[in-house]
Amino acid sequence: GAVVSQHPSWVICKSGTSVKIECRSLDFQATTMFWYRQFPKQSLMLMATSNEGSKATYEQGVEKDKFLINHASLTLSTLTVTSAHPEDSSFYICSARGGGNYEQYFGPGTRLTVT
Amino acid sequence: GIQVEQSPPDLILQEGANSTLRCNFSDSVNNLQWFHQNPWGQLINLFYIPSGTKQNGRLSATTVATERYSLLYISSSQTTDSGVYFCAVEPGTYKYIFGTGTRLKVLA
Repeated sequence: GAVVSQHPSWVICKSGTSVKIECRSLDFQATTMFWYRQFPKQSLMLMATSNEGSKATYEQGVEKDKFLINHASLTLSTLTVTSAHPEDSSFYICSARGGGNYEQYFGPGTRLTVT
Repeated sequence: GIQVEQSPPDLILQEGANSTLRCNFSDSVNNLQWFHQNPWGQLINLFYIPSGTKQNGRLSATTVATERYSLLYISSSQTTDSGVYFCAVEPGTYKYIFGTGTRLKVLA
């Protein structure tokens, strides 16, 4: 149990375009989802926290107009990188928590390359 | 904010060896997890261990919350144990702060 999927697993886009990444909890209801960013050989950095049906809470330094997060249902959260630039290239990972469980379960990640 | 430091940063082992990874945190925490990030980037849950000791096969973990550290023990290491090990702590803010990571390579 406690499986989280992400789609796509990798994406290449051109500078100036937008990219949407989906995160789904497959076998539990995720009351809270988290989005992280990881640069090569570095740790995970939390970008934002989203609760179903409410606006996401962004960490300091994360542009909320660039990284749009929607948590429309208890099993789906999306991250849209708007007007992507090469510096947005990174590994984006989502996680989910729910069902009265404090553990976080992570998706497999999405590798974004902006050319 | 809370600081989470892991040691050692890098570790190379011969297959079959044992190792201890450490996670130090600078403030009290409500929750703590250990993860293994495989070469493809997937984080695998190893332990949810805000306090006490747990064991799962060749792996075990101990958290001494009052002294603000956690240990992950790997016994009889295998090449498939290679990857990066992270601890993550939640200091009462409902979100995790990740440690600096330990990069482990197990040689055949």
